[in-house]
Amino acid sequence: DQQVKQNSPSLSVQEGRISILNCDYTNSMFDYFLWYKKYPAEGPTFLISISSIKDKNEDGRFTVFLNKSAKHLSLHIVPSQPGDSAVYFCAVNTGNQFYFGTGTSLTVIP
Amino acid sequence: GAVVSQHPSRVICKSGTSVKIECRSLDFQATTMFWYRQFPKQSLMLMATSNEGSKATYEQGVEKDKFLINHASLTLSTLTVTSAHPEDSSFYICSARDRDRVINEQFFGPGTRLTVL
Repeated sequence: DQQVKQNSPSLSVQEGRISILNCDYTNSMFDYFLWYKKYPAEGPTFLISISSIKDKNEDGRFTVFLNKSAKHLSLHIVPSQPGDSAVYFCAVNTGNQFYFGTGTSLTVIP
Repeated sequence: GAVVSQHPSRVICKSGTSVKIECRSLDFQATTMFWYRQFPKQSLMLMATSNEGSKATYEQGVEKDKFLINHASLTLSTLTVTSAHPEDSSFYICSARDRDRVINEQFFGPGTRLTVL
């Protein structure tokens, strides 16, 4: 039973435009939400997170939005850069339980 | 800060042999470490959670006797794949939680590519 879903396996965006990555989760008890970026043959690196008491968190070009009623999480990257090309995983957390989505492969076209 | 290393980064072994993968938190103490497995084009699958000084908690479907996890110190956890078979070939990633950080975050190692011939 998949706790976290990323329905778009891939996304292509022109450099300078906005990239929007989406994530849906099933359990309203999760209290922390995270985005990770992963390059091939490397471990994921933490990007940005948000707690369940907020609906938006911004860090430079990255903004995460949380819609608790819809159980939906999104990551906005603006402006997108070629170096942003990677696989992005969303993750949900409560206690020591982490669940990851299947990832979205983002390609930023120069 | 918050660097996690894994060794080896890549290992090739014969079927039937055992392989040990080390995960170290280099600049922080990790009371909890996680072991994940990633298949091509698939998500990270949590295999087990290990707490320092106690037995690991395995996820459903993960064989305890096949994937031995030891978390003997606050900076080291090991995963031993016993009697490896070709289907065990995968990318294994560990992560660790910093004991002294409040935020709910885990730091990942670079992963180990295991190929069983």
